[in-house]
Amino acid sequence: KQEVTQIPAALSVPEGENLVLNCSFTDSAIYNLQWFRQDPGKGLTSLLLIQSSQREQTSGRLNASLDKSSGRSTLYIAASQPGDSATYLCAVRTDNDMRFGAGTRLTVKP
Amino acid sequence: EADIYQTPRYLVIGTGKKITLECSQTMGHDKMYWYQQDPGMELHLIHYSYGVNSTEKGDLSSESTVSRIRTEHFPLTLESARPSHTSQYLCASSETDSGNTIYFGEGSWLTVV
Repeated sequence: KQEVTQIPAALSVPEGENLVLNCSFTDSAIYNLQWFRQDPGKGLTSLLLIQSSQREQTSGRLNASLDKSSGRSTLYIAASQPGDSATYLCAVRTDNDMRFGAGTRLTVKP
Repeated sequence: EADIYQTPRYLVIGTGKKITLECSQTMGHDKMYWYQQDPGMELHLIHYSYGVNSTEKGDLSSESTVSRIRTEHFPLTLESARPSHTSQYLCASSETDSGNTIYFGEGSWLTVV
């Protein structure tokens, strides 16, 4: 059974810092990995989708990498802003299943 | 922006009441999902559907039921709500191809008193 772990569980940084969020998974036979953002009391917003054949994806200040063989993905956020404060979740897709990590709660202080 | 909608967003009901959470999407997606998420906790899949007249139970056992009579709609029903059903319920959809993005609704917060 696929297990997804996110470290750290919570992170607080001053505005302007670059930061890295980590996601690991136990079964490398995945279709893709997706990073989401969740604001309090809201649904999930898709940030980046990396197919199993890809190594990384970029969108604005966000860069996600995927190392399928080691079961790891990172989400890099450059020049963090208070508006980036949210919970970030990664999810891996295998067959018809999608497994989520518990998320990293990010706080960016002005 | 995703075109997937959930109603109601917030609901407080009494124990024993029947409740249906609505989910609709306008993207023509075949696959739809219901996840349950307690505050600060992981998402757990409770139901999914591959298309019309197809429904399956997810990993987390749930007393809720679902139906898929039309591609656009995937309602979730609790016949007799209990306080243990208090949670956030998130609906999602994706295209059939497993390589595609999954889109989420805003969620329905259910409180059973």
